[in-house]
Amino acid sequence: SQQGEEDPQALSIQEGENATMNCSYKTSINNLQWYRQNSGRGLVHLILIRSNEREKHSGRLRVTLDTSKKSSSLLITASRAADTASYFCVPSNDYKLSFGAGTTVTVRA
Amino acid sequence: DTAVSQTPKYLVTQMGNDKSIKCEQNLGHDTMYWYKQDSKKFLKIMFSYNNKELIINETVPNRFSPKSPDKAHLNLHINSLELGDSAVYFCASSLIAGGYNEQFFGPGTRLTVL
Repeated sequence: SQQGEEDPQALSIQEGENATMNCSYKTSINNLQWYRQNSGRGLVHLILIRSNEREKHSGRLRVTLDTSKKSSSLLITASRAADTASYFCVPSNDYKLSFGAGTTVTVRA
Repeated sequence: DTAVSQTPKYLVTQMGNDKSIKCEQNLGHDTMYWYKQDSKKFLKIMFSYNNKELIINETVPNRFSPKSPDKAHLNLHINSLELGDSAVYFCASSLIAGGYNEQFFGPGTRLTVL
């Protein structure tokens, strides 16, 4: 299994703004998943994008995947205070999911 | 209804003690996992059971022993607790084994070893 490397490590934005975070990985994947973890809570699955997909939407979330560059991005539009959390990308091609350090997003009121 | 539940939520204990953390999922999933999240927030997989059979056993001290009495339950027993065991432990489940589908996480158990 491999970890994704999220960038930036931390992001602070105003409520209503968009937040974009990127993820890079090293080897080929079957899919890539994004998870969110609010402070002191468990992780919540956001989106799974398969290797043959380029873009996927879910509500205010938009995920892209570029397998040629081994990278993905997560865009949160019209951010809210409740979006304050850590976001993890998890590239997967086998039994195990490995989590990196994540991007910590703070949405200011 | 809580999909993946863990008990207790907080556990404070002395070094050398033995403790257990329980996990239950009501999603009808076949696969369950234990993860450890350290103080730097890195989440590392420890064990995975598929239909009560151990399929992932990472490099974890043998003081940690998982037990799956049935598909819906995966418990974690820790013997001779050490200071370094202090962490948040998360249980998770997925419909089938592997990284090909999403995992549902419990709320975590914060273990503090004094």
